Amino acid sequence: DTEVTQTPKHLVMGMTNKKSLKCEQHMGHRAMYWYKQKAKKPPELMFVYSYEKLSINESVPSRFSPECPNSSLLNLHLHALQPEDSALYLCASSQAGQVNPYNEQFFGPGTRLTVL
Amino acid sequence: AQSVAQPEDQVNVAEGNPLTVKCTYSVSGNPYLFWYVQYPNRGLQFLLKYITGDNLVKGSYGFEAEFNKSQTSFHLKKPSALVSDSALYFCAAREAGTALIFGKGTTLSVSS
Repeated sequence: DTEVTQTPKHLVMGMTNKKSLKCEQHMGHRAMYWYKQKAKKPPELMFVYSYEKLSINESVPSRFSPECPNSSLLNLHLHALQPEDSALYLCASSQAGQVNPYNEQFFGPGTRLTVL
Repeated sequence: AQSVAQPEDQVNVAEGNPLTVKCTYSVSGNPYLFWYVQYPNRGLQFLLKYITGDNLVKGSYGFEAEFNKSQTSFHLKKPSALVSDSALYFCAAREAGTALIFGKGTTLSVSS
C-alpha cells in the first residue's frame, strides 16, 4: 500500500465549530506532516511528527491542534477557525523519521476546507 | 537560509516537443532536490529526486532532471510532452536538519 489517505475530502465549517481532519498511511513511515496550501501556491509546512512526537510546529495558531495517536494516523483538530484558514490541507509521510532529508514525502489528496 | 526559485510562472509547449521547467536552489550544505507535480484538486505526486551521484536523474512518467552544481540548478525535462503533462510543478530542496522548502511552482500547459 503506497497511499496516504485523508478524510473528509471536503469540509465546510462555521467559525464556532469544532472539526477534525484525519490522515492515514500504512507504508511504515515514521514521519508525518501537515501542510496548508492556498490555490496555485506552494504548500506551507504546519507541523511535523517524527516517531509519533511533535518535532516541528511552524508557529501555527492554537486554533489548529495536531495529534498523532499512533505511527499510522495523524489528526488535525480545528476550533474557532477564521475565513482566511480556508485552504487545501495536505497530509504527507516519509520514511525513517524527519531527520533523513533525502526521503521523499508521499502526499495525500488533501481536504478542501471552507470556513464560513 | 535555503531557498528555491522557479523563475517561470508558466511554461507553454506543444505536444510532442521537448519541455524544460527551470529550478535553481540555494542551500549551505549538500542539497537534496526533489520535483513534485500537482494535478487540479489533487495532492502532490513525487516525480524524482537528486541525492548524490549521477547528475542526470530519471523519474516517473518519462521525466528527468539534470543537477548542475556550478549553476545551482535542477531543471526538469521531458523529451516529448503530452497534453496529460499539463499540471503545476514544484521544485523543492532540503538539507540535513531542515524542512522541505518549495519553489513557488510553475504551471505547465501542453497544447495539442
